[in-house]
Amino acid sequence: DTEVTQTPKHLVMGMTNKKSLKCEQHMGHRAMYWYKQKAKKPPELMFVYSYEKLSINESVPSRFSPECPNSSLLNLHLHALQPEDSALYLCASNGPGTYEQYFGPGTRLTVT
Amino acid sequence: DQQVKQNSPSLSVQEGRISILNCDYTNSMFDYFLWYKKYPAEGPTFLISISSIKDKNEDGRFTVFLNKSAKHLSLHIVPSQPGDSAVYFCAHNAGNMLTFGGGTRLMVKP
Repeated sequence: DTEVTQTPKHLVMGMTNKKSLKCEQHMGHRAMYWYKQKAKKPPELMFVYSYEKLSINESVPSRFSPECPNSSLLNLHLHALQPEDSALYLCASNGPGTYEQYFGPGTRLTVT
Repeated sequence: DQQVKQNSPSLSVQEGRISILNCDYTNSMFDYFLWYKKYPAEGPTFLISISSIKDKNEDGRFTVFLNKSAKHLSLHIVPSQPGDSAVYFCAHNAGNMLTFGGGTRLMVKP
């Protein structure tokens, strides 16, 4: 099973809202990632969690706040977003010693 | 820093023929390159990878070739099928950080 699940599938939020994106995997992977993909562009890395600890933050604005409650779950808390933050947000994971990352289906976020 | 470039934004191929997708990179030091396939509004799907110690890796209809002297790799799909129509990304993995090329949209015509 190489499934990564993400909820919700679609999200529309105003600039003053607070919302959260959720990601889950049950493959025993200990590295989890958030990527952002704008239309007609490749995915761009935002955050890396390794063994539930934030190891990489690619200079992401503080209005994006990641959280890893346990080894299977990854959240992305959103607050005071801008319309330019509208994108597909992808979660991925991979196991120790492996190079391929497995992606979830993504959350399509629209900020109005 | 590694830069990954896919210089062909699109490719059109007849069903049953070979599709060749290309990728260039800048830094000779690397561990792995991976190829992903992506349909609209879905996450990327892992296809095949190649390590720096190999020059070829094959998995079914998919073969990746690595030319280290030219800093170039290519993905061959034989035979191409209409269901292969998607965007293909080449990605470099360094320390569990993926850097993607810009992608190539493959269209396989029946």
